[in-house]
Order: sequence, then structure tokens, then C-alpha cells
Amino acid sequence: GAGVSQSPSNKVTEKGKDVELRCDPISGHTALYWYRQRLGQGLEFLIYFQGNSAPDKSGLPSDRFSAERTGESVSTLTIQRTQQEDSAVYLCASSSGDRRYSPLHFGNGTRLTVT
Amino acid sequence: QQPVQSPQAVILREGEDAVINCSSSKALYSVHWYRQKHGEAPVFLMILLKGGEQKGHEKISASFNEKKQQSSLYLTASQLSYSGTYFCGPEGSRWWVIGSNYKLTFGKGTLLTVNP
Repeated sequence: GAGVSQSPSNKVTEKGKDVELRCDPISGHTALYWYRQRLGQGLEFLIYFQGNSAPDKSGLPSDRFSAERTGESVSTLTIQRTQQEDSAVYLCASSSGDRRYSPLHFGNGTRLTVT
Repeated sequence: QQPVQSPQAVILREGEDAVINCSSSKALYSVHWYRQKHGEAPVFLMILLKGGEQKGHEKISASFNEKKQQSSLYLTASQLSYSGTYFCGPEGSRWWVIGSNYKLTFGKGTLLTVNP
């Protein structure tokens, strides 16, 4: 079946502009995660959606970052007034509700470059 | 709190063994392990549960030390394809509450290089 789909795969933007990154999770997956990965670094948690519960936004680095999810489907990560330090690969992952046997399925990411 | 992985990097020759450790500051119920090859998305390897149950890769095993709040990943008879960065994601004991806002936080990763 289809995996997690992210778009665009690459995005180059000028400093100060807003960007929207999209994630289409695997159908039926109730949990959705956004992570940021800077060059050569680990996976930095940003935000977590679980079903209809309030999202866990504790990883968002500043108020320039926001994310939404429509029900249990598409999610959008928005970065306002982008800065050069926002340059990174943004990874989305989804999983089913039972975390004992439910691995995260990652998308291929969006590589964001802020010039 | 972010889990701590060790070593940060390891270089092997094909056929050698390696152990990657993951330590958590919180009580463990399960640990996720993922591998990421350069330029690719992380890929699931294993979920290790309290009590020793495992779900995942056929040729990779792991242990779970509840007392030490630590998990170890064992890579035996390494192959070239094992090269990559390995990430662990420990989970605490509230995971089963469906709807709980319990995120999965990963360690900084262990870079494994397997040479011919």
C-alpha cells in the first residue's frame, strides 16, 4: 500500500518568507509526528497528533512554527518568517494507535533551504 | 528528556559484531529502534517490549534492562547493508492510554560504518 507522502520534496525559500510543508499519512493511522533533522544531526521532535486529542506541541522551537491536522488525514507544518537556521529536512511519520506493535512509518521528508 | 545513545560512532569490518546502547532517564515499557541510511528516511527495525517480546528484524536482536532503564541493540555478523545511523526511541509506561499525548523522542543516533 501507499506509504507516508510528503510534499514538496525540496523547497528553497528566501529568508523572511512563509512556507507550508504537507504530509499525507498512511490511511487509518491515527498518530502523526513531525520531526526536524539538521544536517548530520539526530531527529528533533516537533509536534505529535493523536486522533482527536489536542496535539503535543512541546517540540515546536518558536511561535513561528505551527501545524494542523484535519481529522486523521493530511497535516500541514507552517513556518512563518523563515530564518536560515530553519534549514533542515522535515520528516513526517505516522503510526496506528497501538504503540506496542506499531512502528513509525516515515516519509522521505522535505528538504528546506532558507537563503 | 532525550535518551542517550552510545557509542556515537563505530566502524566495523564485514562480519564483525557491534552493540549499540540506549539509556533513558525514565522507566521503560518499550523501545523503538530505527536505521537511517544517508539521504533516506528512517526505517523501522524493532520494537522491544518489557518482558522481552520483540517485533521486527530477523537478523538483529535487542535486550531490555528495566532496572538500568537501558536497551541494547545487537548486530551480529554485520553486513555492508547494516551501515547507517541507528536511533532509539524509548517509551514509558503510559503508552497504552489511547489519546494520551505521549510523543516518541529519539536519541542523537549512532553512526555505524561497515567496511569490506
